[in-house]
Amino acid sequence: KQEVTQIPAALSVPEGENLVLNCSFTDSAIYNLQWFRQDPGKGLTSLLLIQSSQREQTSGRLNASLDKSSGRSTLYIAASQPGDSATYLCAANTGKLIFGQGTTLQVKP
Amino acid sequence: NAGVMQNPRHLVRRRGQEARLRCSPMKGHSHVYWYRQLPEEGLKFMVYLQKENIIDESGMPKERFSAEFPKEGPSILRIQQVVRGDSAAYFCASSSPGGAGETQYFGPGTRLLVL
Repeated sequence: KQEVTQIPAALSVPEGENLVLNCSFTDSAIYNLQWFRQDPGKGLTSLLLIQSSQREQTSGRLNASLDKSSGRSTLYIAASQPGDSATYLCAANTGKLIFGQGTTLQVKP
Repeated sequence: NAGVMQNPRHLVRRRGQEARLRCSPMKGHSHVYWYRQLPEEGLKFMVYLQKENIIDESGMPKERFSAEFPKEGPSILRIQQVVRGDSAAYFCASSSPGGAGETQYFGPGTRLLVL
């Protein structure tokens, strides 16, 4: 049974810092891994999707990596801004998405 | 190209009533997924449907919940005799018919409140 874990559960950083969010999954048989952002009371915004054959994807200040053999993915956010404050979710696609519990990020001005 | 549409966005029901949640997939998408986010909990898979077929309902509660995706019209998630524990955000996602690993695009969700 696929299980997805995200560490840390919450993170508070000053503006401008670079930070790393971690995601681990127990079963390497995935199609892809996706990172989402969720603002309070809102829906999901897809940030990055990494296919199982890929190692990383980049979009602006975001970079996501995938290591299937170790069951890990990281989301790197460069030069964080207050507008980055949100909950970040990773999801492993096994044909359905298995979500982690999320990391709630607060970036202080 | 409109995204995934869900309605209503907010739904209030009293215990014992029925709730019907609708999801219109993106144009060209024939696969629909429903997920539930209970308060203070993560998103959980409920059901995966293709047109007129339920592919995987392993996440659906055994009673009171049903889903359909007819040949014409939106996908419907139906909750009969709602209880307070059904209060949650229900998200629908759709994907193209390329296979199980296709990217899923999410709708804005329906927030159900049971009084």
